Amino acid sequence: SQQGEEDPQALSIQEGENATMNCSYKTSINNLQWYRQNSGRGLVHLILIRSNEREKHSGRLRVTLDTSKKSSSLLITASRAADTASYFCATDDGTGGYNKLIFGAGTRLAVHP
Amino acid sequence: DVKVTQSSRYLVKRTGEKVFLECVQDMDHENMFWYRQDPGLGLRLIYFSYDVKMKEKGDIPEGYSVSREKKERFSLILESASTNQTSMYLCATNNRGSSYEQYFGPGTRLTVT
Repeated sequence: SQQGEEDPQALSIQEGENATMNCSYKTSINNLQWYRQNSGRGLVHLILIRSNEREKHSGRLRVTLDTSKKSSSLLITASRAADTASYFCATDDGTGGYNKLIFGAGTRLAVHP
Repeated sequence: DVKVTQSSRYLVKRTGEKVFLECVQDMDHENMFWYRQDPGLGLRLIYFSYDVKMKEKGDIPEGYSVSREKKERFSLILESASTNQTSMYLCATNNRGSSYEQYFGPGTRLTVT
């Protein structure tokens, strides 16, 4: 079952601009994560935010979490062509067991030089 | 660095063949997962394993089986491949009880003709 849904499905920007991607989910969670996938490759973990946190930073990444709205956003500042990839949010299934994740369909980001 | 390897990057098989996809990790992680990824659907969990010889069905187990005889190795088996199993298959691992972060292999793009 799909828990997270990203918005927009695709985003095209110029280098130097900021990119914002949103994720909504349906059930209570313990944490939410964001992953990046370069074309045809495996996923790479970017950042994890726990349900009791509201904002987290890592380099040019800023993640917010609003548990009352069951939504999260990922902001990439000063984007680069190398940021071109698909971005996925993933949530735990709320049960705390086996560390399973539920992934959304992803946002495809294209950053043009 | 965690290393998760998958036996093939690209695989072409015929309808009805038995197909083995293998995943090996070197981090002594308890949990291992098999996903398939299709455009617009994100990652869907096929099976996961939380210990040697232990397995649990994910969201879409039909047509698949798995085997985990050793902690570091988790195999996905397509008993009789069909064209609707053409997809990208991703293996992932994580440690029980710690961070939920999952570590992914590079993926196997399987085409069934």
